Amino acid sequence: GIQVEQSPPDLILQEGANSTLRCNFSDSVNNLQWFHQNPWGQLINLFYIPSGTKQNGRLSATTVATERYSLLYISSSQTTDSGVYFCAVERWGAQKLVFGQGTRLTINP
Amino acid sequence: IAGITQAPTSQILAAGRRMTLRCTQDMRHNAMYWYRQDLGLGLRLIHYSNTAGTTGKGEVPDGYSVSRANTDDFPLTLASAVPSQTSVYFCASSDSLGDEQFFGPGTRLTVL
Repeated sequence: GIQVEQSPPDLILQEGANSTLRCNFSDSVNNLQWFHQNPWGQLINLFYIPSGTKQNGRLSATTVATERYSLLYISSSQTTDSGVYFCAVERWGAQKLVFGQGTRLTINP
Repeated sequence: IAGITQAPTSQILAAGRRMTLRCTQDMRHNAMYWYRQDLGLGLRLIHYSNTAGTTGKGEVPDGYSVSRANTDDFPLTLASAVPSQTSVYFCASSDSLGDEQFFGPGTRLTVL
């Protein structure tokens, strides 16, 4: 099956810092989504981005499908950005999302 | 209600007992999914449904069954719970397969 690798596994930053999270995948995909799981366990969809670039406030994401990676950028981090960020991909015809192991982000005040 | 609701929030269950986790969405989404989340293993798909009346197996379907009698509800049943089914279970939905997924709050299940 498709492999999804996220890096770094852990990231600790001070409030106000910028960060880049990476997601590499091993096969062509027609679906890529980024999720944030907050410290209370709630999963929030951040981006649906099989290709191209999207921005939503302080967050943006870029997927380069031909090179099989996606990046999530968080600017001017806030403590509420803490949690685990998951990348999930769907291989063409697979009809299921495969999740990476996540990047745990801790933003200290 | 708005979005996806799951019940119960948490449950402690004796091994061998039958348990049904409930999931209801009010977004009129066609596709629904069940995942389990385990420490170190991330989220894994158990079963999914493309539309009412159809279901499919995900990555880890053994020991679980689902039904999709209508658009809104997608219950997950453990016929005879085992300790390895201790996990946090998330229900999700999307407009159709392959679209942006929205998650419920999860059910924490402990099987003793």
